[in-house]
Amino acid sequence: SQKIEQNSEALNIQEGKTATLTCNYTNYSPAYLQWYRQDPGRGPVFLLLIRENEKEKRKERLKVTFDTTLKQSLFHITASQPADSATYLCALVYYGNNRLAFGKGNQVVVIP
Amino acid sequence: NAGVTQTPKFQVLKTGQSMTLQCAQDMNHNSMYWYRQDPGMGLRLIYYSASEGTTDKGEVPNGYNVSRLNKREFSLRLESAAPSQTSVYFCASSAWDTNYGYTFGSGTRLTVV
Repeated sequence: SQKIEQNSEALNIQEGKTATLTCNYTNYSPAYLQWYRQDPGRGPVFLLLIRENEKEKRKERLKVTFDTTLKQSLFHITASQPADSATYLCALVYYGNNRLAFGKGNQVVVIP
Repeated sequence: NAGVTQTPKFQVLKTGQSMTLQCAQDMNHNSMYWYRQDPGMGLRLIYYSASEGTTDKGEVPNGYNVSRLNKREFSLRLESAAPSQTSVYFCASSAWDTNYGYTFGSGTRLTVV
């Protein structure tokens, strides 16, 4: 079965630095991949979507890359701020299936 | 501009009791979903409804039933609650245009004792 892997250890990073998170998947490539942010006690909030034929997407201080050869997506937060502290979820959708499958999430803590 | 509204926010049930979790969206989305989130397990899909009038099982449907009442509302029912159903439940909706992702509700924290 398909697995979606995110680092279970929290990423502690100094304010102003770039935080980089990894999402790895097994087996076949998804049609597209999404990233969500989740704060404690809240529902996930959609951030970015990247399609199979796209290498990179940007939105303000966020950048996502998608490498179908490595079966990996990288999520970058540049010039990180304490307000960026949250858990970030990777999610995949496959062709013919509009359902999102989520990774377990990776916590980011930005230290002032 | 409410988005996805879930009720209740918190609930404690005794084993064997039944309850219905309510979800409504005001974004005219076609598809709706129910997920549960457990520590160390991530979000897992229970049931989904691709469009009004259709429902399908997700990854963990056992012990649950759903009703897509109309385009706006999608309810999740626990007929006989078990402690293993203690979790945080999220409802979500999405449009046909996938560029906008899913919109999630704020969740229902359910404890079964």
